[in-house]
Amino acid sequence: EDQVTQSPEALRLQEGESSSLNCSYTVSGLRGLFWYRQDPGKGPEFLFTLYSAGEEKEKERLKATLTKKESFLHITAPKPEDSATYLCAVSGGSASKIIFGSGTRLSIRP
Amino acid sequence: GAGVSQSPSNKVTEKGKDVELRCDPISGHTALYWYRQSLGQGLEFLIYFQGNSAPDKSGLPSDRFSAERTGGSVSTLTIQRTQQEDSAVYLCASSRGSNQPQHFGDGTRLSIL
Repeated sequence: EDQVTQSPEALRLQEGESSSLNCSYTVSGLRGLFWYRQDPGKGPEFLFTLYSAGEEKEKERLKATLTKKESFLHITAPKPEDSATYLCAVSGGSASKIIFGSGTRLSIRP
Repeated sequence: GAGVSQSPSNKVTEKGKDVELRCDPISGHTALYWYRQSLGQGLEFLIYFQGNSAPDKSGLPSDRFSAERTGGSVSTLTIQRTQQEDSAVYLCASSRGSNQPQHFGDGTRLSIL
């Protein structure tokens, strides 16, 4: 069964304290892995797409990496405005739909 | 605007009533998705439209839920005989194709009294 698991469920960091969020997936024939950011009361906002193992993408303080079994979202020297829920999703297998993980709630303290 | 637009942004209705939620996707996007998100939870897939193909309805939780997409553009999600457990945020997304990033609206917050 296709599955996406994100960890941790919640993460509290001090401003400037770097860390990583994990997205583990089980899908046959990965076609794409997506990272989104969701702020309260808003729809998810697209961040990155990764298509193959070894691929990396960067945007400001965020860097996404991909292996054959998992993806990491690295956040370097985070700021309070990086506080949000980060969602991972995969497209692959025989299903036409995209499967979302349950997200990681990231909180950055000033 | 250039983004996905959903209406209404909030809907409060009584149990047993029917509701219609609307989604205007980004122009030119052939794929359209509906999701449900309960408080503090992840996204639950409901239905997927791709071009003129038959929609993937595998996520619809019951036959009270239905959706259509007219002219390959605007989509309407209809919930008949609403129940309290239908209370959630309903999100719509569109994309250029099934393997492309999805762009989301801000959702309709549905409350069933």
